[in-house]
Amino acid sequence: AAGVIQSPRHLIKEKRETATLKCYPIPRHDTVYWYQQGPGQDPQFLISFYEKMQSDKGSIPDRFSAQQFSDYHSELNMSSLELGDSALYFCASSLLGVQTLTLAFFGQGTRLTVV
Amino acid sequence: AQTVTQSQPEMSVQEAETVTLSCTYDTSESDYYLFWYKQPPSRQMILVIRQEAYKQQNATENRFSVNFQKAAKSFSLKISDSQLGDAAMYFCAYQSYGQNFVFGPGTRLSVLP
Repeated sequence: AAGVIQSPRHLIKEKRETATLKCYPIPRHDTVYWYQQGPGQDPQFLISFYEKMQSDKGSIPDRFSAQQFSDYHSELNMSSLELGDSALYFCASSLLGVQTLTLAFFGQGTRLTVV
Repeated sequence: AQTVTQSQPEMSVQEAETVTLSCTYDTSESDYYLFWYKQPPSRQMILVIRQEAYKQQNATENRFSVNFQKAAKSFSLKISDSQLGDAAMYFCAYQSYGQNFVFGPGTRLSVLP
């Protein structure tokens, strides 16, 4: 079965550069979530999208932006990268029904290293 | 590639009762970590409990405990004296020493008053 695909799997950027992370949800899933997990930390919720509209916002820095496209894939854009942005970035997708708690399928993550 | 399976999409428990959430995983590695995360509607991921694979003793954290069966690759979470605030999505996760992190699909736990 198709899973959540994230690309790239690994990314190395220098300080002040820009990075774009991509997430391709499971087919027919309409909701995408982004999480950031720093070394030794719990995943932190950044932002989510439902039907191409932002649905929830967590602790996403102003330097980051994200969007969900018509094919439901999502991109997380990160500008003016800082060393502290080095982390594992997870994307998860779900099919959002009327309930607020839904099964979410996670991708394998993109490991971003800022040097 | 490692995989994590949670075979129970939904579970419910009566307040003050005990419930067990199942998790199985597949890996060829011998050293790794296992986690249970709680996700309330706020979308936060809250660490409930963590187990190092080299430790035979099951991890315990207040009302939460695990039954870690390394040979069977099973890592179930037991919640005792369930409270209304325990209602959430629960994700089982695996992490190798090489930092590869894999989540299961989650189990939605309802607590009935």
